[in-house]
Amino acid sequence: DTAVSQTPKYLVTQMGNDKSIKCEQNLGHDTMYWYKQDSKKFLKIMFSYNNKELIINETVPNRFSPKSPDKAHLNLHINSLELGDSAVYFCASSQSPMNTGELFFGEGSRLTVL
Amino acid sequence: GESVGLHLPTLSVQEGDNSIINCAYSNSASDYFIWYKQESGKGPQFIIDIRSNMDKRQGQRVTVLLNKTVKHLSLQIAATQPGDSAVYFCAENMVGGKLIFGQGTTLQVKP
Repeated sequence: DTAVSQTPKYLVTQMGNDKSIKCEQNLGHDTMYWYKQDSKKFLKIMFSYNNKELIINETVPNRFSPKSPDKAHLNLHINSLELGDSAVYFCASSQSPMNTGELFFGEGSRLTVL
Repeated sequence: GESVGLHLPTLSVQEGDNSIINCAYSNSASDYFIWYKQESGKGPQFIIDIRSNMDKRQGQRVTVLLNKTVKHLSLQIAATQPGDSAVYFCAENMVGGKLIFGQGTTLQVKP
């Protein structure tokens, strides 16, 4: 059973389009995250939700809108895609928002904007 | 500011040797640190963690050392195996529950 699953795994799209990445966790965790990993492997937090409420919102363009319909799901919608949005996006979850335990990551969604 | 750095982007070791991966952090108030391993095409996976009230913690074939005086963290892997080849990240827990990752060290294990 996959603990944190995200779809799609690969996404190739044109500039200006709108796309979504979905994430689900079956660990019963309260907190979920989106991280962006660039071509140099640098991992940067974008958002964090605890029990459907936004608790961390880094300096991310408002073209990125996370949505958490319930605590097991955190989706990422991106409007008006730009070339610089090309990256691997990782969803993760943890038991609590204080990161006193490990983060469980999904396998990543590679977004390529042409 | 927020900054977690690693000293070397790439480390190449012979199979069977010990590996040491280093990390420097900037926030002296950070109280929790984690090492993650990321294999090609996968998400990062937890290896070992350490709290700031400890200076050493051991796992299976891995040891993490924390030197708070110089804000330095290291991951030691004993008897490195081909399956250890991956990118290794240190991460620092900031106030507010934000986990900040370093840039990663690629470990290459030569057979």
